[in-house]
Amino acid sequence: SQQGEEDPQALSIQEGENATMNCSYKTSINNLQWYRQNSGRGLVHLILIRSNEREKHSGRLRVTLDTSKKSSSLLITASRAADTASYFCATGTYTGNQFYFGTGTSLTVIP
Amino acid sequence: EAQVTQNPRYLITVTGKKLTVTCSQNMNHEYMSWYRQDPGLGLRQIYYSMNVEVTDKGDVPEGYKVSRKEKRNFPLILESPSPNQTSLYFCASSSSFGRAIQETQYFGPGTRLLVL
Repeated sequence: SQQGEEDPQALSIQEGENATMNCSYKTSINNLQWYRQNSGRGLVHLILIRSNEREKHSGRLRVTLDTSKKSSSLLITASRAADTASYFCATGTYTGNQFYFGTGTSLTVIP
Repeated sequence: EAQVTQNPRYLITVTGKKLTVTCSQNMNHEYMSWYRQDPGLGLRQIYYSMNVEVTDKGDVPEGYKVSRKEKRNFPLILESPSPNQTSLYFCASSSSFGRAIQETQYFGPGTRLLVL
């Protein structure tokens, strides 16, 4: 399987702290996406980073990509209770049409 | 409102009884896909479709069928469901002018299936 893995599997932090989660993948990629899932609901797209980018920001989110290590990280700054969710990275095959999601990081932000 | 809809949202069935889960999107997206989500395994792609009459297998296609006769609809068919197909299923769509991985996927609310 070419499925990626997120690390850690679960993360619990206090409101206001930063949360960092990592994604490792197995194949060469064109782009990598991060998604958020609130308990049992559909996934919501957060951010896309292209293979020629090293870092990207969107509001309180910062994503980095290291293609040499086949890894990406998602940093959520100044976390809020509403950030409590599972976070998944997604990569695609070279053709870009088949998706592989990681196993997810479950984030709990304690008010 | 732009959305992906799935029906039914919850389904309990018995082994061997054929079922269909419908998926429809109103965004005129070319790309549609089905995933299953299981604890500890994340999301795994079952089938995807680049456009009408074009479908391809994902990572876990065994036991499933799909069809894409219209651009907006992408039903998932379980001809003879088995207990190991008990899972949470998601449909997703995206525009696909180039590689689908370059585009945001929009997900439906999910269908929770229990096969007894």
